[in-house]
Amino acid sequence: EVQLVQSGAEVKKPGESLKISCKGSGYSFTSYWIGWVRQMPGKGLEWMGIIYPGDSDTRYSPSFQGQVTISADKSISTAYLQWSSLKASDTAMYYCARSHYGSGSYFTYWGQGTLVTVSS
Amino acid sequence: AIRMTQSPSSFSASTGDRVTITCRASQGISSYLAWYQQKPGKAPNLLIYAASTLQSGVPSRFSGSGSGADFTLTISCLQSEDFATYYCQQYYSYPYSFGQGTKLEIK
Repeated sequence: EVQLVQSGAEVKKPGESLKISCKGSGYSFTSYWIGWVRQMPGKGLEWMGIIYPGDSDTRYSPSFQGQVTISADKSISTAYLQWSSLKASDTAMYYCARSHYGSGSYFTYWGQGTLVTVSS
Repeated sequence: AIRMTQSPSSFSASTGDRVTITCRASQGISSYLAWYQQKPGKAPNLLIYAASTLQSGVPSRFSGSGSGADFTLTISCLQSEDFATYYCQQYYSYPYSFGQGTKLEIK
């Protein structure tokens, strides 16, 4: 069974750093793109970026380029989303999702989400 | 970047109704379009990909159509569990992008 299990909720202060994780299981982790999607409170889905764990090829939305870093550690089948300096506007639910085989494309499996709250 | 625009943003319908949601891309995307359903507090769930292919396990009352820049999601006979928010997503070119969502509420 394919599963994506994300790390738990985080409460941080502005300016702090953060790295959240997404562990894949039940499939070949290096063969599928994993993406990150933001959902701010009461708002829609925003495509942030995507990584191919097999070779770490990464694509970002211009809206998030330079604001976050997407990475993966294939040895432990885990993808990451990280911030070096959080802002209050980063408060959101963040989902990881696995793509269809062979391409970035659409997302067939989703993690449960990680709620990030940034507040002074 | 390709912009996806859904209409309407929200609307009310009754169980048993046939409803159609529209998604328009700012440029042609062939058939590289997916539809998702999201219920409150839950992760999105893939309904349709390649504009009209039903994901395994999704009820046949859901259907998708369109190509190029204009697409539709149709629910043929609304059930109570279908009241949710629906999103389209293009995967024609990076950065991939979602529509703003259509919230379907009970009348």
